[in-house]
Amino acid sequence: QSALTQPRSVSGSPGQSVTISCTGTSSDVGGYNYVSWYQQHPGKAPKLMIYDVSKRPSGVPDRFSGSKSGNTASLTISGLQAEDEADYYCCSYAGSYTFGVFGTGTKVTVL
Amino acid sequence: QVQLVQSGAEVKKPGASVKVSCKASGYTFTSYDINWVRQATGQGLEWMGWMNPNSGNTGYAQKFQGRVTMTRNTSISTAYMELSSLRSEDTAVYYCALYRGAFDIWGQGTMVTVSS
Repeated sequence: QSALTQPRSVSGSPGQSVTISCTGTSSDVGGYNYVSWYQQHPGKAPKLMIYDVSKRPSGVPDRFSGSKSGNTASLTISGLQAEDEADYYCCSYAGSYTFGVFGTGTKVTVL
Repeated sequence: QVQLVQSGAEVKKPGASVKVSCKASGYTFTSYDINWVRQATGQGLEWMGWMNPNSGNTGYAQKFQGRVTMTRNTSISTAYMELSSLRSEDTAVYYCALYRGAFDIWGQGTMVTVSS
């Protein structure tokens, strides 16, 4: 199972919006509505930000939103804030009890 | 609150095995699958496999088949991940994570260093 493809980095100024793409195949992203997104600050464990493509866990700001079209999922951060600077990983179920095919990771920089 | 607490850092020689523990609290241990994910320094997240604490059933990523074993001790609400035939490329932080539709609770991570 190959890793999902994400851009290496994206950046934006405070208050702007950024979108991170996550491209897989019909065997993972395109085949299931089980795409999740994780935020990871340096030296910390990942934190769940989005699950089931577009649902937010309790406590995650509504500035974070998710969507999917075909084999590509996206995470959008609106109203970018300094604390959003981190690495972000997408993840998809891939069938046959393969719960986690992760993306290559995207570094978000707040200018 | 739901929490996963992992064992401390390990240093191992090539060819050895390592066993990392993950103690669960704040929920019924047998209710949800526990997965293991690793991350080499400066690299991305890599899924290793899952275990159902109720049945003991497991499933491993193809890359780790034959080298990884996931087990549990339900009496102390603890899951284990053992990786054998260690090589330098296995140097990484190993995380356990609770899977409830997504990896919503993570342990703090265990650094495993493989060095001669």
